[in-house]
Amino acid sequence: NAGVTQTPKFQVLKTGQSMTLQCAQDMNHNSMYWYRQDPGMGLRLIYYSASEGTTDKGEVPNGYNVSRLNKREFSLRLESAAPSQTSVYFCATRTSGYNEQFFGPGTRLTVL
Amino acid sequence: ELKVEQNPLFLSMQEGKNYTIYCNYSTTSDRLYWYRQDPGKSLESLFVLLSNGAVKQEGRLMASLDTKARLSTLHITAAVHDLSATYFCAVDWGAGGTSYGKLTFGQGTILTVHP
Repeated sequence: NAGVTQTPKFQVLKTGQSMTLQCAQDMNHNSMYWYRQDPGMGLRLIYYSASEGTTDKGEVPNGYNVSRLNKREFSLRLESAAPSQTSVYFCATRTSGYNEQFFGPGTRLTVL
Repeated sequence: ELKVEQNPLFLSMQEGKNYTIYCNYSTTSDRLYWYRQDPGKSLESLFVLLSNGAVKQEGRLMASLDTKARLSTLHITAAVHDLSATYFCAVDWGAGGTSYGKLTFGQGTILTVHP
């Protein structure tokens, strides 16, 4: 089992370009999450999907959109990238109840 | 707005010594998680604490939760080099019995264990 996978691993964009970060899981988990990690700030929740067909905003949703394509896949889209979106992006999943989240390997994004 | 604060943010320890990392949070919650992150890597779950007074132990690490004080601690016993990493606590926003797993993370504590 691959667990949680993310593509791409690294990406460099120019300001104003768009891109989609992909996340897939084979753990049959209901909930999926997107976080960003910036130095000295821990992780911050961007968007989450409590179950297939639902999405909702987290702490820092501005500048992002998400799609829960099916139970396995949850994508994060930057429509017009800005340098402030330079960060490491992590996808996470959780089964149900109060269980812990499982994190993917991350995507390191640089916006010039 | 839920705030989660860890201290210390940087911790340099000698092997064999004991120390405690503190995690304070600002609003009522009884669901707290500890994660470990190695440099350049993803996060790994260490502990899940789901009630007042919960205590979990794994090897040289022990975590506890005091929901009345809004405080969790991660105690390190007889530190070894392999424990060098960044440690995060995270608190679930969920109100009452509802949890969507919306976590607010502390800033992280960078632990370095020296010989």
